[in-house]
Amino acid sequence: DAGVTQSPTHLIKTRGQQVTLRCSPKSGHDTVSWYQQALGQGPQFIFQYYEEEERQRGNFPDRFSGHQFPNYSSELNVNALLLGDSALYLCASSLVANEQFFGPGTRLTVL
Amino acid sequence: QKEVEQDPGPLSVPEGAIVSLNCTYSNSAFQYFMWYRQYSRKGPELLMYTYSSGNKEDGRFTAQVDKSSKYISLFIRDSQPSDSATYLCAMSAGSGYSTLTFGKGTMLLVSP
Repeated sequence: DAGVTQSPTHLIKTRGQQVTLRCSPKSGHDTVSWYQQALGQGPQFIFQYYEEEERQRGNFPDRFSGHQFPNYSSELNVNALLLGDSALYLCASSLVANEQFFGPGTRLTVL
Repeated sequence: QKEVEQDPGPLSVPEGAIVSLNCTYSNSAFQYFMWYRQYSRKGPELLMYTYSSGNKEDGRFTAQVDKSSKYISLFIRDSQPSDSATYLCAMSAGSGYSTLTFGKGTMLLVSP
């Protein structure tokens, strides 16, 4: 059983550019959450998708947007990248409430 | 005051020691409590998942929740060098909209 997968593994962008990160949830899971983890910090909640709709959102600007597809996979888009957006972006999937399983993450570097 | 406080460490112990990792929190609405292990530059791995107060044991790992004190612990018995990682506590308020609030993580180093 494949766990949560994310692509790409690493990404380098320059300020002002746009980026799209992708996530495939664990088999059978219908809810996808995205988190940002800065170096030395715990993950911070960005938003959660269920049934192709954003169900909850954390304290992140509108530059961060997402999408969930009918097969439950998801994308995270970040526009107008800032240096401070450099972080590990984590996707987590769940079926039972709160028991979230994380993918390996995408490491984004903004130069 | 942060919602979840966790000592960042590092915590250094010899192989075979009993390890105690702790978190305190301020939001009394939290009901679900989790411990994740994160190896360097990897995604967090779910270790323990508990609801409300009490103890839960799984192999060498024991999770304790004391809601009256807003304090949770993870104990690791017979620690191994492979346990060296960052341990993150996480918690959530509701069963429906399940966003997790994390601590900063405690780095554990187990020396052979």
